[in-house]
Amino acid sequence: DAKTTQPPSMDCAEGRAANLPCNHSTISGNEYVYWYRQIHSQGPQYIIHGLKNNETNEMASLIITEDRKSSTLILPHATLRDTAVYYCIVRVSGNTGKLIFGQGTTLQVKP
Amino acid sequence: DAGVIQSPRHEVTEMGQEVTLRCKPISGHDYLFWYRQTMMRGLELLIYFNNNVPIDDSGMPEDRFSAKMPNASFSTLKIQPSEPRDSAVYFCASSQTNQPQHFGDGTRLSIL
Repeated sequence: DAKTTQPPSMDCAEGRAANLPCNHSTISGNEYVYWYRQIHSQGPQYIIHGLKNNETNEMASLIITEDRKSSTLILPHATLRDTAVYYCIVRVSGNTGKLIFGQGTTLQVKP
Repeated sequence: DAGVIQSPRHEVTEMGQEVTLRCKPISGHDYLFWYRQTMMRGLELLIYFNNNVPIDDSGMPEDRFSAKMPNASFSTLKIQPSEPRDSAVYFCASSQTNQPQHFGDGTRLSIL
């Protein structure tokens, strides 16, 4: 599975959009981009995933560049409860086993 | 949907003792995963099962660790004998084929 690069930390003002970038320049054509987050002392929580089209659900939007070498997770109106570590993971479809977590981005939402 | 249920939530024991961590996956999920999280190494996959059969145990650190899944609704991760370096948070996750994994809240293990 391709490797991902994320900034170690970011701040965001409460009520503003949080844009979390991820670089996956070695991504293959059959690899999906997944986002999880981990709120302190809880298990990781699935947010969203996509292959090449932009995706949106009730939690967030995922924007994948046309060359698929990078993506951005958008939390449209960040709240204090969105403070967490956000992990960007690429995974081959059908490879159900290995989610390889990097260090992620620690997002601090401030009042 | 009760989610993935892990027990105990916290475990403190002395080195050399046997430790058993338990996991109940979400009903209908055919994959089950065990992860370990430490400050130094982050989140690591230890082993995963498909339809109760171990598929990949390459992440299991050594022979002191063993995992079983006797049926679709229960799995155990056992450490015998335990050592202080095994102290970590252990997570269980489950999923359906090609669907996202759902994690439990973990077991915080401290080996003294």
